[in-house]
Amino acid sequence: DIQMTQSPSSLSASVGDRVTITCRASQAINHYLAWFQQKPGKAPKSLIYDASNLQSGVPSNFSGSGSGTDFTLSISSLQPEDFATYYCQQYNSYPYTFGQGTKLEIK
Amino acid sequence: QVQVVQSGAEVKKPGASVKVSCKASGYTFTGYYMHWVRQAPGQGLEWMGWINPNSGGTNYAQKFQGRVTMTRDTSISTAYMELNSLTSDDTAVYYCARSSSLDYWGQGTLVTVSS
Repeated sequence: DIQMTQSPSSLSASVGDRVTITCRASQAINHYLAWFQQKPGKAPKSLIYDASNLQSGVPSNFSGSGSGTDFTLSISSLQPEDFATYYCQQYNSYPYTFGQGTKLEIK
Repeated sequence: QVQVVQSGAEVKKPGASVKVSCKASGYTFTGYYMHWVRQAPGQGLEWMGWINPNSGGTNYAQKFQGRVTMTRDTSISTAYMELNSLTSDDTAVYYCARSSSLDYWGQGTLVTVSS
């Protein structure tokens, strides 16, 4: 199975900050990487697919990049509603696997 | 608009089975695979498999092979996930999500396994 490793596991930031979360795959996954946002008690929400494509309706302060094994999710100018847990997921090969999550908290 | 609505919470005894439904609307049900993902309390996300609503074909994670069955009823645009031989480790929120990029998710179904 492909292991997805996110860093950091947790992150404290302030409204208006720019943050970057990294996701590393244990083997190359081309661009088949998605990012999700999850708030407590809610289903995950798709943010980005194919490493860098923004899902419809997702604010443009979210962006993704990377290919192969190393990927990043960046959030420019954090808003109060952006504080949540973020997961990456590879869909290059079965079984699909997720990172362990990055909890973004308010400083 | 695309919507995916799941059935309600379930409480099961160890050894029992559970069947969760996932009703899709706002798009062509047979045009997108439906995936199932679960999340144990306080834990991360775990992919279980998918069903092709058009053909009925399935692909299950090896971990669940022999214990999970995914089916669909195209007449009512609904996918189902049945998990057998439940143990306390199966206590989790079960989600269905559309397509390989998991672009639309159901609200989740809490399955509690307890004696």
